[in-house]
Parts: sequence; structure tokens; C-alpha cells
Amino acid sequence: GAVVSQHPSRVICKSGTSVKIECRSLDFQATTMFWYRQFPKQSLMLMATSNEGSKATYEQGVEKDKFLINHASLTLSTLTVTSAHPEDSSFYICSADQGNTIYFGEGSWLTVV
Amino acid sequence: GENVEQHPSTLSVQEGDSAVIKCTYSDSASNYFPWYKQELGKRPQLIIDIRSNVGEKKDQRIAVTLNKTAKHFSLHITETQPEDSAVYFCAANHFGNEKLTFGTGTRLTIIP
Repeated sequence: GAVVSQHPSRVICKSGTSVKIECRSLDFQATTMFWYRQFPKQSLMLMATSNEGSKATYEQGVEKDKFLINHASLTLSTLTVTSAHPEDSSFYICSADQGNTIYFGEGSWLTVV
Repeated sequence: GENVEQHPSTLSVQEGDSAVIKCTYSDSASNYFPWYKQELGKRPQLIIDIRSNVGEKKDQRIAVTLNKTAKHFSLHITETQPEDSAVYFCAANHFGNEKLTFGTGTRLTIIP
């Protein structure tokens, strides 16, 4: 089946710094990708829709200037957490649709210290 | 927007017994209802899904039922095994719109 890959799987960063997470569709093109955030013992919450060649669409309550999304090609979307704070520590996961099936990346654990 | 509620939040079942998890949705336009199994720190894995043109779908020990009128759908796992222990999420969306709204999750524990 289609594969969506995320990198890095785990990252630790200092407060105030920025960190970039990549989401790649390995064997298909994705004009749209989705970014979710999952806090411990909670559900997946959609943060934003990443649109190839245009601006991302953010869900209510998600700061677009803090969570920068770039979808520069049909196989790559990046999420940059800017000026990270400990409360941004979470599991970030992307998804993409191929053949009417939704595929998730492996997820990225972000710890801000 | 869509709102998906899921119950129960935790469920313990004796090995070999059945487990049932229920979800309700609010948007009558939703027509695709997947179920995911998630182990700690890993990506959600699709285990079964149903589209609104059918009322029931079965895959070996797993089945999903859908009641469009009542706007609820359920996951049924029979002959449970220890490896079924995980967190299960239901979700809903419009077919063709890849944006999923997830339920709050059910932590299923199978007691050997």
C-alpha cells in the first residue's frame, strides 16, 4: 500500500528554538496533506490542511504564525514549530489520501525542554 | 463542523469475549467511517471502515455497523485476544474529503 513517511521520529529542542518535521508521500503524489497533533492519552486533533502550491488552511485555534506549513512539492509537506515552548511537546502526525484511503505517517515526538 | 463522540473511554474484556465500542456523529453529510487501532507512540492503523451505502461490514473477527438514521456506528471485536489491547479511534468525514474528525478514543484491555 501507499506509504507516508515522517522525519524525524523523535526530536528534542530547547525552548525558543524552531523545529521542522517533514512528511513525505513515498510512492504517490499528494496535493493535500493533513497535520494532526496528539497529546498523551488524547485523540488526534487536526491542526491544518497543507495544500501544494498554496497556503495551508488552519483549524480554529491553531496559530498559523507558530505552526508554519510548507507544501512545496507533490510529495513533501513540512511543519515548522517556531519559538517552541514546553506546552508544544506532543506527537505530531501527518496523513495523505491515495486511492480513497487515508495513510498516516509514523508520527514525530516533539519534546521541548 | 463534524463532532464525533466515542464511548466507552476504557474497556476491559476477558480474553475470548467480545468488545463493542460505539460512536455517534453530528454531521448528516458524513459518509465515511473508519476505525483505527493505535499502539503507544505509533501511527493509527486502519482496521476496518464503512461507507454510508451499507449498514454492516465484517472482516474476520472485526465488524462495523452503521445506523445512518441515528447517526451512530459501532465496532465489534469477537473472540478477543491479548494483541487486541490498544487504543481504538473512530472517525468520520465526507467521502472525497480527506480531513478526518476523530472520536476521543477507547483504551481496550484484554485480560488473559
